[in-house]
Amino acid sequence: AQTVTQSQPEMSVQEAETVTLSCTYDTSESDYYLFWYKQPPSRQMILVIRQEAYKQQNATENRFSVNFQKAAKSFSLKISDSQLGDAAMYFCASSQAGNMLTFGGGTRLMVKP
Amino acid sequence: DTAVSQTPKYLVTQMGNDKSIKCEQNLGHDTMYWYKQDSKKFLKIMFSYNNKELIINETVPNRFSPKSPDKAHLNLHINSLELGDSAVYFCASSQESSGATEAFFGQGTRLTVV
Repeated sequence: AQTVTQSQPEMSVQEAETVTLSCTYDTSESDYYLFWYKQPPSRQMILVIRQEAYKQQNATENRFSVNFQKAAKSFSLKISDSQLGDAAMYFCASSQAGNMLTFGGGTRLMVKP
Repeated sequence: DTAVSQTPKYLVTQMGNDKSIKCEQNLGHDTMYWYKQDSKKFLKIMFSYNNKELIINETVPNRFSPKSPDKAHLNLHINSLELGDSAVYFCASSQESSGATEAFFGQGTRLTVV
């Protein structure tokens, strides 16, 4: 079974600053994928970024990047130049056989103007 | 066009009733899922289904059952609703089931049992 842990229930960041959200996971799978999803107040789950575990290079998507430390089973999300629209719940997730996602408990990100 | 759509968006019902939530995807995906998000925002897989296999999370009560009339639809039936079933239910789909492809989510259905 996989487990995903997000140790920060809430984080806040000043607009235009950088923030890092933490995530650790545990899995017995040798082949797996990691994701960050954003859930704004609209409730819609939106994929922010994904990382294949077999790739050493950290994934980046515009202002979003990850720090993937496979040995430490750590997968943090860095948001640069934070914008008001980044305010949301952020969920870290891992996929297992059958592509079923195991989610962390979420981090609520607040962006201060 | 909405990729994954669920109906209804909100559902309020009494304890003991039977209800269904519909889900349709127009992405041509092979695999569909149901997730439950509780009041503390915790998301948990309930079912994974493609045309070959249904995988059930063992913690899901058998009052919950997925029904798929075709590849584009995976409806969720809930019998004898209980107060604890109140949650947001998300349908999702992905191209295949290896974990390599992105899952697309519907907008969620907020179920309130009174």
